[in-house]
Amino acid sequence: QKEVEQNSGPLSVPEGAIASLNCTYSDRGSQSFFWYRQYSGKSPELIMFIYSNGDKEDGRFTAQLNKASQYVSLLIRDSQPSDSATYLCAVGQGGSYIPTFGRGTSLIVHP
Amino acid sequence: DAGVIQSPRHEVTEMGQEVTLRCKPISGHDYLFWYRQTMMRGLELLIYFNNNVPIDDSGMPEDRFSAKMPNASFSTLKIQPSEPRDSAVYFCASSLGPPSYNEQFFGPGTRLTVL
Repeated sequence: QKEVEQNSGPLSVPEGAIASLNCTYSDRGSQSFFWYRQYSGKSPELIMFIYSNGDKEDGRFTAQLNKASQYVSLLIRDSQPSDSATYLCAVGQGGSYIPTFGRGTSLIVHP
Repeated sequence: DAGVIQSPRHEVTEMGQEVTLRCKPISGHDYLFWYRQTMMRGLELLIYFNNNVPIDDSGMPEDRFSAKMPNASFSTLKIQPSEPRDSAVYFCASSLGPPSYNEQFFGPGTRLTVL
């Protein structure tokens, strides 16, 4: 059974710091990796997607993949209080966009 | 554009009844996704369509669930018969292309309660 594990947190970081969110996955054949952000009581947002062939940077966000250790990270530079949310990791196999989701990590950025 | 529209926003029904959730994607978006979120199971992607055609329904939990997209501006997710464990928030999302290239826009969700 495919599993995706995340520390539920909360992860608390000061404003301006780098927030590092991690996610481990069990299926070595996984090829697609997603990060969603969800504010409390709101709909999710897909904020990052990477294939198994590389990392990706988008503004203050960087997604990094370590295939050997089977984990994927989301780094948020210059964290802002508005980044406070739950971050969900999802991992997919092959070309499918039907991933397995982790339960999410709560991030709190305090002023 | 008004964004992704879902209806109803809240639905309360009794076990055994048929439930139909509706979604209108953003005009011009070729991909449509149905998600479900519960406290017990977290967020799940149930099915997605490309150009009105179901591409992957491997996330659909049981045969009681069915989804259709009769045209580019409308999709339904039907549960028949409904059970209490189907209680969840159901999200619809759409995008111009596959998630690898394009941003996904989510609707506000339908909160379903099955008594």
